[in-house]
Amino acid sequence: AQKVTQAQTEISVVEKEDVTLDCVYETRDTTYYLFWYKQPPSGELVFLIRRNSFDEQNEISGRYSWNFQKSTSSFNFTITASQVVDSAVYFCALSGYNNNDMRFGAGTRLTVKP
Amino acid sequence: NAGVMQNPRHLVRRRGQEARLRCSPMKGHSHVYWYRQLPEEGLKFMVYLQKENIIDESGMPKERFSAEFPKEGPSILRIQQVVRGDSAAYFCASSQSGPKNTEAFFGQGTRLTVV
Repeated sequence: AQKVTQAQTEISVVEKEDVTLDCVYETRDTTYYLFWYKQPPSGELVFLIRRNSFDEQNEISGRYSWNFQKSTSSFNFTITASQVVDSAVYFCALSGYNNNDMRFGAGTRLTVKP
Repeated sequence: NAGVMQNPRHLVRRRGQEARLRCSPMKGHSHVYWYRQLPEEGLKFMVYLQKENIIDESGMPKERFSAEFPKEGPSILRIQQVVRGDSAAYFCASSQSGPKNTEAFFGQGTRLTVV
């Protein structure tokens, strides 16, 4: 069975604070892919990152960084120096090698206050 | 290079009517996926199609829902005899070579409201 858990339902921070969004996953596949998507208030889904299970290097893209820890089945997402425009719902997703779909977590709603 | 296009963006239907949701994949993409997002929830997989074929419909309700991806034209998700519980955002995604090798790009979604 595949499952993604985003335990934080809502997070509220003040602008310029750093914030980490947690994602824990379950899968029996040895090859799998992990994703993060952003859903701003306008409703569309914006792709942020895709990571395969063999690549445990952390990744940094501007203010965004991702920490993939296979040992704890986690793929956490950190926003440094948050901005109001970062306010959105963020989804973590998992796709097993033998699956045709992505399993999404329930999402974390991030509110960044000025 | 236009992204995944879904229309309409918003659709209102009365109970018992039919809803037709359209999805035009990105240019060069022949794989289409439909997901449903209920209010305050994550996305749930419904169906995966390639041109003219349904590959995986394990997430699709057995009754009233159907999907197609014809040789020409957009993919269609059809919901017959809609009920209030069908109110949700329906997202379409497309990929170039199937779910294992490339990421899927999502459309902006169709928000269906059943009144």
